[in-house]
Amino acid sequence: AQSVSQHNHHVILSEAASLELGCNYSYGGTVNLFWYVQYPGQHLQLLLKYFSGDPLVKGIKGFEAEFIKSKFSFNLRKPSVQWSDTAEYFCAANTNAGKSTFGDGTTLTVKP
Amino acid sequence: DVKVTQSSRYLVKRTGEKVFLECVQDMDHENMFWYRQDPGLGLRLIYFSYDVKMKEKGDIPEGYSVSREKKERFSLILESASTNQTSMYLCASSQPGGGGGSEQFFGPGTRLTVL
Repeated sequence: AQSVSQHNHHVILSEAASLELGCNYSYGGTVNLFWYVQYPGQHLQLLLKYFSGDPLVKGIKGFEAEFIKSKFSFNLRKPSVQWSDTAEYFCAANTNAGKSTFGDGTTLTVKP
Repeated sequence: DVKVTQSSRYLVKRTGEKVFLECVQDMDHENMFWYRQDPGLGLRLIYFSYDVKMKEKGDIPEGYSVSREKKERFSLILESASTNQTSMYLCASSQPGGGGGSEQFFGPGTRLTVL
């Protein structure tokens, strides 16, 4: 069965620090990968997605993620975080059937 | 602007009650989903539907049922609510997969408390 694991449950950073959140998936076939973000009190929304082409994808608010097929990984990065990046981040993988499997989520707290 | 709406933001019910959670999307999406979100457990899929009157069980369907009579509406039913169903319930919709990669659009969630 398809599964997604996120390495960190809670990350605490100071403003301007660099961020990397790990995500690994297990699925042998074609997979589409996503990072979603949930800001406090808001809906889950798409941060970025990968389905083919350039393995380095850029999303909103300066986030990017790199798909490394050999490592089954799709890590999220941001060179300099801001207090407003405080949120919960979810990695997800889905097949072309459209059904997604989500990781457990990583809560990011950015201290001003 | 795409929109997924859920009938209630907060709901308090008693054990044994029948509970209906409604979700409506205005994007003409084929796929609709119900998840529950619990701290440390991420999003767990309860049921999904890829067409009107079609449904498939997700990872945790026990104690739940669904109904999709119209394309835009997907209902989650708790036949007899129990305290372990206290949770945040999220509805989502998407277009089918294929080359485009089907991102999901989420509603605001319903926080259900079962006493």
